[in-house]
Amino acid sequence: NAGVTQTPKFRVLKTGQSMTLLCAQDMNHEYMYWYRQDPGMGLRLIHYSVGEGTTAKGEVPDGYNVSRLKKQNFLLGLESAAPSQTSVYFCASSYGESYTFGSGTRLTVV
Amino acid sequence: QKEVEQDPGPLSVPEGAIVSLNCTYSNSAFQYFMWYRQYSRKGPELLMYTYSSGNKEDGRFTAQVDKSSKYISLFIRDSQPSDSATYLCAGRGVSNFGNEKLTFGTGTRLTIIP
Repeated sequence: NAGVTQTPKFRVLKTGQSMTLLCAQDMNHEYMYWYRQDPGMGLRLIHYSVGEGTTAKGEVPDGYNVSRLKKQNFLLGLESAAPSQTSVYFCASSYGESYTFGSGTRLTVV
Repeated sequence: QKEVEQDPGPLSVPEGAIVSLNCTYSNSAFQYFMWYRQYSRKGPELLMYTYSSGNKEDGRFTAQVDKSSKYISLFIRDSQPSDSATYLCAGRGVSNFGNEKLTFGTGTRLTIIP
């Protein structure tokens, strides 16, 4: 099925560890996004990309890096994980008014 | 002040009732307004979107936007237990790169009681 695929679905990290979250879309969308969702805070934009090779900061970019080497993939990296980064991470891609979200990655940093 | 404010609920109504979900926003640059539905442990899915002010109807769902008062509403008629989910409103503005990005409310958790 066409859509947005996120891997992994769950992960537990120790403070200071690093990891990369992968997002892949097969809809040929130019725009891709990484959001985090926390109770009482809603969805907040971390970074986004308007096309292959481009990235830009969103609302809460600190502690995260991203790369868009291929149009279909958008990677989110945590270089040194902190407990404050415990959250559910959603990737999305868009064309016009239509945003398609992945099913999320639940990350716990202990 | 958040750009999009939404009552988090929770909201519980009996099956068959009319549900009214509301948001307010502060960014005058918003042109598109969306409602997303999110089931537990799933990603949000687009339910409806409207452009500028006015109403839009899709089956049992009606979205309303009043730009003069910066008020967004979603009405669900003949509510069903399958409508139980978190509903997120969103406004679409313009980023520094001239591209449009979504700003979400915190979501309202809705439960339809059979």
